[in-house]
Amino acid sequence: AQSVTQLGSHVSVSEGALVLLRCNYSSSVPPYLFWYVQYPNQGLQLLLKYTTGATLVKGINGFEAEFKKSETSFHLTKPSAHMSDAAEYFCAVSAGGSAGNKLTFGGGTRVLVKP
Amino acid sequence: EAQVTQNPRYLITVTGKKLTVTCSQNMNHEYMSWYRQDPGLGLRQIYYSMNVEVTDKGDVPEGYKVSRKEKRNFPLILESPSPNQTSLYFCASSLFRGQGTNGELFFGEGSRLTVL
Repeated sequence: AQSVTQLGSHVSVSEGALVLLRCNYSSSVPPYLFWYVQYPNQGLQLLLKYTTGATLVKGINGFEAEFKKSETSFHLTKPSAHMSDAAEYFCAVSAGGSAGNKLTFGGGTRVLVKP
Repeated sequence: EAQVTQNPRYLITVTGKKLTVTCSQNMNHEYMSWYRQDPGLGLRQIYYSMNVEVTDKGDVPEGYKVSRKEKRNFPLILESPSPNQTSLYFCASSLFRGQGTNGELFFGEGSRLTVL
C-alpha cells in the first residue's frame, strides 16, 4: 500500500523567499509521484510529475521537485515566492496495478505568502 | 477545451434526500474516479471506473454508488445522505499509463455538498 506524508499543514513565507514543501512517501513498487496545486474554489491542477530516471523535475510556475529514492522524498521548491503562489499543495503517489491510476494524497500544505 | 465538468458546484440538502452529482469529461479517458476532500485528510478515493460498466470501490465507498453507462459520464449517487457526507467532492479522469502519460489525473472544479 502507498502512503504520503506532508510535513506541515500550513507554511508562511515572505514574498521573494524560498518555498519548500516537504513530501515523504512509502510505496512497495517504484512510485509515480505528483504535485498538485489547488487555488481557492478551484479544482486540483497538476504542478509537476516525476519521470523515471530524473532526480530534478521542473514544473509550471517556477516550481521544481527533487526525487531522492534513498530518503523516499519528493520535496517541492520554488526559489522566490510570489503572492500568486498562495494556495494549497498536495503531494500524491500512484502505484497502478489493479487499482488503475489511483492516486494516494498527502494531507496538503497551505501556503500563505506575506508581502 | 479539455475539461472535466461537475454539477452542481454547490448543494445544500437534508438527511435522507437522494442526490446525484454528475461528472462528464470530453477527453475520451477510460479511467474516471471520485474523491472527497476533507480538511487535514487530503483527498480520499470513493470509487473508480476503468471502463464502461467496470466500477470498483476506493478507500471510502460507504454510502455512495456510481455507474458508468457511457465512457464520458460517471455520476456519483448518494441514496440517503447523512451529515458525515458533508464534504468537497472531485471527479477526475485520465488515460492509463503506457498511453503516453504517467496516469496523471485531470480534475473537475469540485462540488461542495452540505447535508443538514
